[in-house]
Amino acid sequence: AQSVTQLDSQVPVFEEAPVELRCNYSSSVSVYLFWYVQYPNQGLQLLLKYLSGSTLVESINGFEAEFNKSQTSFHLRKPSVHISDTAEYFCAVSYQTGANNLFFGTGTRLTVIP
Amino acid sequence: GAVVSQHPSWVICKSGTSVKIECRSLDFQATTMFWYRQFPKQSLMLMATSNEGSKATYEQGVEKDKFLINHASLTLSTLTVTSAHPEDSSFYICSARDPGRTGELFFGEGSRLTVL
Repeated sequence: AQSVTQLDSQVPVFEEAPVELRCNYSSSVSVYLFWYVQYPNQGLQLLLKYLSGSTLVESINGFEAEFNKSQTSFHLRKPSVHISDTAEYFCAVSYQTGANNLFFGTGTRLTVIP
Repeated sequence: GAVVSQHPSWVICKSGTSVKIECRSLDFQATTMFWYRQFPKQSLMLMATSNEGSKATYEQGVEKDKFLINHASLTLSTLTVTSAHPEDSSFYICSARDPGRTGELFFGEGSRLTVL
């Protein structure tokens, strides 16, 4: 069975400060890893994903995440946050084979304080 | 990028009535779609996997007679909440897998259902 753990339910951070949102997973088979962002009353938007290759993946708006196989982690980071980054962030994993359903963490609410 | 559209984005209905939510893949064919439910300030919970041309696969604890899923074409899946009650009020989100893109799921905008 798979599980995804996001230890921090809420993360307040001041504007232009760095942030890290933690994600750990457990799986007995190889997985793909994702970070999705959800703005209020909207669906999910893919932020970035790790499928294979370089363990460091980046998004177009300055976020990055690093796949650490030994620690089974996929933490999300940004060196300087903006007000517009305030949202709910979900870490998710899927099996590399099969239906590719996503298993989600419980989410982290990032609040950027002016 | 791949686009998945849901309709309606919000709906209010009376208790006892049925509500249908549509999920469409606009620029790709999706043999598999997924329906999720999200309670306020909580994560997404998979309700069922919708397979084109066959019966949906429901997760444990999800009433298949309550939440009817139909996936009649490669671009459309529908979720019908039958005899809705206030406890069915929630945010319902669909997603679809683009066979041409490894692993990634594309999500609809979500549909907020409020049952009075």
